[in-house]
Amino acid sequence: EAQVTQNPRYLITVTGKKLTVTCSQNMNHEYMSWYRQDPGLGLRQIYYSMNVEVTDKGDVPEGYKVSRKEKRNFPLILESPSPNQTSLYFCASSLSSTLGPHHEQYFGPGTRLTVT
Amino acid sequence: AQSVSQHNHHVILSEAASLELGCNYSYGGTVNLFWYVQYPGQHLQLLLKYFSGDPLVKGIKGFEAEFIKSKFSFNLRKPSVQWSDTAEYFCAVNGPFNKFYFGSGTKLNVKP
Repeated sequence: EAQVTQNPRYLITVTGKKLTVTCSQNMNHEYMSWYRQDPGLGLRQIYYSMNVEVTDKGDVPEGYKVSRKEKRNFPLILESPSPNQTSLYFCASSLSSTLGPHHEQYFGPGTRLTVT
Repeated sequence: AQSVSQHNHHVILSEAASLELGCNYSYGGTVNLFWYVQYPGQHLQLLLKYFSGDPLVKGIKGFEAEFIKSKFSFNLRKPSVQWSDTAEYFCAVNGPFNKFYFGSGTKLNVKP
């Protein structure tokens, strides 16, 4: 089944404890992206990757890191989480990295992160 | 920075009523436009998309949207809503530098 998977789905952690949220897609997609969803703010793009070893900042990259060593994986790293990073996180991927008919994104199931 | 505005934050309709959700974006160049739906507790699913050609696009579940370039708008419509359309709807734009921008969402509540 074609899908985007994220792990873990739920995570409660404490301030300052490094964590990684994994994202994997099995569709050979070029473009991958991370978003956070907060009430009233919609989704905001954290980082995106147009291909292996190519990553760039979205609108809200502060406090996050990413890497794209393999095409299928795009982990999100919080080196020192803070309470303001409590949010619902979505990974997404799309076939193409350029504007056109194959640029719609497929979303993972989400990771609900609570930082205390 | 680019922006996407959804004017209706909460919409309450009765079944069979018509729906129109507004979406405006700020980027004047070439864009791809999307509407996504998020059912309670679920991830986002694509309703429809526009990338070129006919500005009236049809999506799944009877939804359609019209791209009006002069108004920077991409409004979502459905002639007759059902209780199962209760969800949150997001407009999204893919503009310069391959970044995606989402609106703040519209929560639709359809009363049976």
